[in-house]
Amino acid sequence: DVKVTQSSRYLVKRTGEKVFLECVQDMDHENMFWYRQDPGLGLRLIYFSYDVKMKEKGDIPEGYSVSREKKERFSLILESASTNQTSMYLCASSPWLGSNEQFFGPGTRLTVL
Amino acid sequence: DQQVKQNSPSLSVQEGRISILNCDYTNSMFDYFLWYKKYPAEGPTFLISISSIKDKNEDGRFTVFLNKSAKHLSLHIVPSQPGDSAVYFCAATQASGGGSQGNLIFGKGTKLSVKP
Repeated sequence: DVKVTQSSRYLVKRTGEKVFLECVQDMDHENMFWYRQDPGLGLRLIYFSYDVKMKEKGDIPEGYSVSREKKERFSLILESASTNQTSMYLCASSPWLGSNEQFFGPGTRLTVL
Repeated sequence: DQQVKQNSPSLSVQEGRISILNCDYTNSMFDYFLWYKKYPAEGPTFLISISSIKDKNEDGRFTVFLNKSAKHLSLHIVPSQPGDSAVYFCAATQASGGGSQGNLIFGKGTKLSVKP
């Protein structure tokens, strides 16, 4: 079974803090994604990556950056957290070829005070 | 502009009856569609998918119908069970070529409540 894990289930940070959200997948998938989910807005893509050290902006990249130094790990960074970044953050992965399905981690509920 | 629309934010049905969740899309290049189910405080899990070369795909109690001319798909759950209560997301992608490279475009979700 594909396993996508996220470093924290719940996180509380203060405005202005630098926040790191980590995601690891164990299926050797090339593609990895970061989304945020907000009520009434669905899943919105923040950043994605097709390969190590490669990254592409999604629909809402402002205020975020990412890092992919190893194939299995994709990090989301909030350089200076703000209250409007309070959200559920979801990481997903998928293989390059053969499947359109994305496999999601359990999510990190981030609260910025 | 929303390319994938789920116009019903919520749906309530009685246990044992049929649940029908609807999804519309605007991009005619989409050729593969997926439904995900999400419980609170968990990540979405894949439920069922359909390619544009088909108009129906069935998996147990779940059936997805695709009407390409109307750019509409629907998920039918029969019979509905209380454990089906969750948020359901419709997603679409251009699987055949193009620059999406696996990117899914999600709708905003429909919250299904199945009452005992």
